[in-house]
Formats: sequence, structure tokens, C-alpha cells
Amino acid sequence: GPKVLQIPSHQIIDMGQMVTLNCDPVSNHLYFYWYKQILGQQMEFLVNFYNGKVMEKSKLFKDQFSVERPDGSYFTLKIQPTALEDSAVYFCASSSPQGPNTGQLYFGEGSKLTVL
Amino acid sequence: GDSVTQKQGQVTLSEDDFLFINCTYSTTTYPTLLWYVQYLGQGPQLLLKVTTANNKGISRGFEATYDKGTTSFHLQKASVQESDSAVYFCALVEGGNNRIFFGDGTQLVVKP
Repeated sequence: GPKVLQIPSHQIIDMGQMVTLNCDPVSNHLYFYWYKQILGQQMEFLVNFYNGKVMEKSKLFKDQFSVERPDGSYFTLKIQPTALEDSAVYFCASSSPQGPNTGQLYFGEGSKLTVL
Repeated sequence: GDSVTQKQGQVTLSEDDFLFINCTYSTTTYPTLLWYVQYLGQGPQLLLKVTTANNKGISRGFEATYDKGTTSFHLQKASVQESDSAVYFCALVEGGNNRIFFGDGTQLVVKP
């Protein structure tokens, strides 16, 4: 089936450094999402993105977070500066134009971020 | 606002046991209800969905009924296998929105 690729799979950085998580969504998809998962359970919505713009973001999407998809390349989540509480697995997801209303999101395998 | 509640953090069963995972929801819209499954080391993947109230979704032996009266969408399976061990998320998509609300997830452990 359709694949969403995430790079890196695991990143360890020191608190205060910047990190960029990359997502290669399904090729014809137009909606993109980032979710944060802690302790292998709760999936917390961070942000969704469409047509070059943030559509909606949650309270977890702090000022230190930013997303972009320059020139149709990777959809990225940047955290600058990082904090200890940013340690989590971050999942990227994408959906087709019809997808969001149907709930059909395709998730990547996650990027595990460890902030020391 | 919209929300999804899963009361069980973990369910432990033996192979061939009956599975029941509780899910209730709250919304003012006409949502689509879904179950996602997340296997170890992977992202969540859609298991089944139901768009219309009082309908049942069935996939891979799992089933869930969209019960508008009790605002529930419990997941059931008659006979679980060890390979069903995973985290199961109940989820809701608001009518006309692009956002999915996930429950907290229920970890299913099936012992051989």
C-alpha cells in the first residue's frame, strides 16, 4: 500500500539544539500531519498542513515548532530549541484530498527523538 | 469539543479468547468513527471505519458498530491470535473537518 517515509528513525540530541524531522508523504497526497506519541500510547495531534499553510495546530505545537514543505520536497517538523519534554516518537501522516473527511490517514513508522 | 474515550489501558488475553475493547465518543457533529491498529515499531494503520450511524464495520475478523444511542464504537473479535497483539486506537473524524481525534489507545497482549 501507500508508504510514508520518515527520516531519521531515531535522533539523539542535547537540550537546546535544533532538530529537523523529515517526512516523505504519499506522492499524490495533499494533506499532511504531525502527531506526537509518548510511551507507546497516546497519539497527540500537533498540526495539519495543506496547500503550503498550517490549517490547524494544537496547544502542543509550541512556538519552538515549525513546519514547512519547500518546493514539494520533504514535509518537515523543526524544533528550535529543543526541550527535555520534546522526547517522544513523532509520526507523520498524509491523506488524499478526500482522505481527511474519511479518516484515512497513512502514517510513517515514526521518528524517535531523545533529548538529553 | 470532540473527544474519544478508551477506558482500558491494557487488555491481556489468551489465544482464542473473545476480545472487547471499550470506546465511547462525544461530538456535536456527524462523525466518521474508526479503529486504528499500531503494531510494535510501526505507525498506526486503519483497521476499520464506519461513516453512518447504526452501521457495522468489519475487517480481518474485527468488528465495531457505530451506536449513536449509546455513543459507543466498541471493538470486538470472536477469537484473538497472538499476532493481534498491538495497540488499538479508537478515533473520530468530525463531519466536514480535517482533524482526527484519537483515544488514548488500548494495548492488547495475547498470550500463546
